[in-house]
Amino acid sequence: NAGVTQTPKFQVLKTGQSMTLQCAQDMNHEYMSWYRQDPGMGLRLIHYSVGAGITDQGEVPNGYNVSRSTTEDFPLRLLSAAPSQTSVYFCASSRQDYNSPLHFGNGTRLTVT
Amino acid sequence: RKEVEQDPGPFNVPEGATVAFNCTYSNSASQSFFWYRQDCRKEPKLLMSVYSSGNEDGRFTAQLNRASQYISLLIRDSKLSDSATYLCVVNPYRSSASKIIFGSGTRLSIRP
Repeated sequence: NAGVTQTPKFQVLKTGQSMTLQCAQDMNHEYMSWYRQDPGMGLRLIHYSVGAGITDQGEVPNGYNVSRSTTEDFPLRLLSAAPSQTSVYFCASSRQDYNSPLHFGNGTRLTVT
Repeated sequence: RKEVEQDPGPFNVPEGATVAFNCTYSNSASQSFFWYRQDCRKEPKLLMSVYSSGNEDGRFTAQLNRASQYISLLIRDSKLSDSATYLCVVNPYRSSASKIIFGSGTRLSIRP
């Protein structure tokens, strides 16, 4: 059982480049989300989805797009990378049940130069 | 007041010691509570859910005090491998995981 799988693990981009961070889960979870974690800032929610075809913005959505065409996949797109987007990105999923904990992928370390 | 507050530490304790952290939350209607651990440069991992009656998992005990609006984590007979950051997580709503709030974490360092 793979859980939540994120790719790539590391990425370096130049300012202005675009890319997609991949996230897939095999637990049939309705809820999926993307967080970024910066030193001293804790986890901040970027976008989330409560099911296929449904997405919504979190706390820090600017500069990112998401889509949810299947239950399993929830890619995060950086439209035009900026140095401020240098961070560690975590994808997480859970059942859509307030008692269900989040399960995290192992993260993508992104550096924008 | 922050919605979820934790003492950032660091707590530096000798191996074998007992250590406890508290986490306070501001929304009295909060419904579910969790403790996660996060190792340096890794993803947060669920340590345990926190139930109203308190619960134990091996050396770890979690308690919920609704009257004073805090949860606690007690670690007995601490091991070197317990060194990590411990995140308090609160879900104040019944319906959506998008409302989950993470504390900023308490750093624990166990010394030999």
